[in-house]
Amino acid sequence: NAGVTQTPKFRVLKTGQSMTLLCAQDMNHEYMYWYRQDPGMGLRLIHYSVGEGTTAKGEVPDGYNVSRLKKQNFLLGLESAAPSQTSVYFCASSYPLDGELFFGEGSRLTVL
Amino acid sequence: QQQVKQSPQSLIVQKGGISIINCAYENTAFDYFPWYQQFPGKGPALLIAIRPDVSEKKEGRFTISFNKSAKQFSLHIMDSQPGDSATYFCAAGYGGATNKLIFGTGTLLAVQP
Repeated sequence: NAGVTQTPKFRVLKTGQSMTLLCAQDMNHEYMYWYRQDPGMGLRLIHYSVGEGTTAKGEVPDGYNVSRLKKQNFLLGLESAAPSQTSVYFCASSYPLDGELFFGEGSRLTVL
Repeated sequence: QQQVKQSPQSLIVQKGGISIINCAYENTAFDYFPWYQQFPGKGPALLIAIRPDVSEKKEGRFTISFNKSAKQFSLHIMDSQPGDSATYFCAAGYGGATNKLIFGTGTLLAVQP
């Protein structure tokens, strides 16, 4: 049972480039999330999805887009990367109305 | 009002000692307070959680103390071990609304042997 899997684990981009982070979960969870983790800032919610075909903005959505075409996958896109988007990105999933989030191992993104 | 303030930012404890991490919140509507543990290179994982109908919850060496009137909650790690060295995040949210969790800024705990 893999849980939540994120790809890629590391990526270096130049300013203005685009990329997509992929999250896959095998727990049949309805809810999926993308967080970013920065030193001294904790975990901040970027976007989330409460079901296939739905997405919603979190606390820091600017500069990111997401899609949830399949229940098990949640994609995070950066259309034009900026140095301020250098961060560690975590995907998570959960059942509805259940407090526990299950996180992936993170994707470290550096934007030069 | 949505903030969760966590302290200290870092903590060094000797093996066998007690580690204490504190969090404070403003929004009285919060009714779910979890703690997440994160080891280097890994994602956070739920450690223990409490709801405001109790003042304390204990699971093994880990205890959450909750003070509703002060709007504060804390994590106590008894008999701290080097394997407890990790970053700890408190969070606050509304019942089962996991999309509404607000995380604290994290505490880096180092337990020295």
